[in-house]
Amino acid sequence: DIQMTQSPSSVSASVGDRVTITCRASQGISNWLGWYQQKPGKAPKLLIYAASTLQSGVPSRFSGSGSGTDFTLTISSLQSEDFATYYCQQANSFPITFGQGTRLEIK
Amino acid sequence: EVQVVESGGGLVQPGGSLRLSCAASGFTFTSYGMHWVRQAPGKGLEWVSYIDTTSSTIVYADSVKGRFTVSRNNAENSLSLQMNSLRDEDTAVYYCARRGNYPRAFFDYWGQGALVTVSS
Repeated sequence: DIQMTQSPSSVSASVGDRVTITCRASQGISNWLGWYQQKPGKAPKLLIYAASTLQSGVPSRFSGSGSGTDFTLTISSLQSEDFATYYCQQANSFPITFGQGTRLEIK
Repeated sequence: EVQVVESGGGLVQPGGSLRLSCAASGFTFTSYGMHWVRQAPGKGLEWVSYIDTTSSTIVYADSVKGRFTVSRNNAENSLSLQMNSLRDEDTAVYYCARRGNYPRAFFDYWGQGALVTVSS
């Protein structure tokens, strides 16, 4: 199975800050990496797929990059509604696996 | 509007069975593969199962293989997850999620989730 490791596990930031979350795969997954946002009590929401393609309707302050084993999610200027937990997910092969999550908190 | 709505969650004793359903609407159900993903209380996301459009490809996580069975009824736009021999560690919110029209399996629409609690 492909293990997905996110860092940091949690981060505190302020509105307007730039935040970067990283995700590392235990083996190469090309660009088959997605990012999801989850707010408490809600279902996850797809933000980015294929490492860098923004899902329809997602604000352009979100961006993704990387290929192979190392990936990043960047939020260029945090808004209040961005405080949530973020998960990466590999879609290269079954079983599909997720990172452990990164909790983005208000400083 | 695309919607997927889970039902059938509840409290069940260890060793018991439960059947979850997912009703799909607002899209051509026969054109999309579907997944189940679960989330234990306070924990991260765990993929459970996948079924393709014609039920010809079905995949399970090792943690549920042999105990859970996924199926779909394309005539009724519905997805099901039959869960047998339930264990404490199966306690989770179970999400039905659509496999989007991407080259690989990314989940573009999710239901609100159904809580399954396994406890004596």
